[in-house]
Amino acid sequence: QVQLVQSGAEVKKPGASVKVSCKTSGYTFTFTGYYLHWVRQAPGQGLEWMGWINPNSGGTHHAQKFQGRVTMTRDTSINTAYMELSRLRSDDTAVYYCARDGGSSGYFFAFDTWGQGTVVTVSS
Amino acid sequence: QSALTQPPSASGSPGQSVTISCTGTSSDVGAYNYVSWYQQHPGKAPKLMIYEVSKRPSGVPDRFSGSKSGNTASLTVSGLQAEDEADYYCNSYAGNNNWVFGGGTKVTVL
Repeated sequence: QVQLVQSGAEVKKPGASVKVSCKTSGYTFTFTGYYLHWVRQAPGQGLEWMGWINPNSGGTHHAQKFQGRVTMTRDTSINTAYMELSRLRSDDTAVYYCARDGGSSGYFFAFDTWGQGTVVTVSS
Repeated sequence: QSALTQPPSASGSPGQSVTISCTGTSSDVGAYNYVSWYQQHPGKAPKLMIYEVSKRPSGVPDRFSGSKSGNTASLTVSGLQAEDEADYYCNSYAGNNNWVFGGGTKVTVL
């Protein structure tokens, strides 16, 4: 079955960077349309869409809010996507999720499979 | 873009129905039939419940239904059950390769 398994919890100081991984299995990582999105959720708050990566081409797009701070990459040899957030602030403390765009499975413009989430804590 | 607007809470007794609204703009909800809904239990990852406004993924009970009118989408849960108690989030494609979530609604089964 399709699975997205994320890396473990991180504790970082303000100003540092964090890199979260999302290892996929159960489907063809580079199949057209299976973009991977990143979504975060601050404690007690709602979901916030951050951006996506096209695992086939490596192309990315992110929300304007994260301009200059977020980098999304992938390693096709190990079917894994990464999200790196730099210049961390306390309000970046959140659970970060990767989620698959289900377009190629018929779930157009929806996120059909999610990772388990990675807790990132930013504290001095 | 701004988050979609959802009521913070909704409730109903077992067997009753509850409807959650999700209000956006003519640039997101009103422009595209790409509204999806997610259920999230405490400490868990979200789960896709509705896509393309009103379609249900396989395995999702038909008690869950979706609709849209203008800039507002809605999720209705009929025949409420205890396990339906959760947070629900709407999401819409917003054009230009962007997506936007609603603020979330906590559904309580009384």
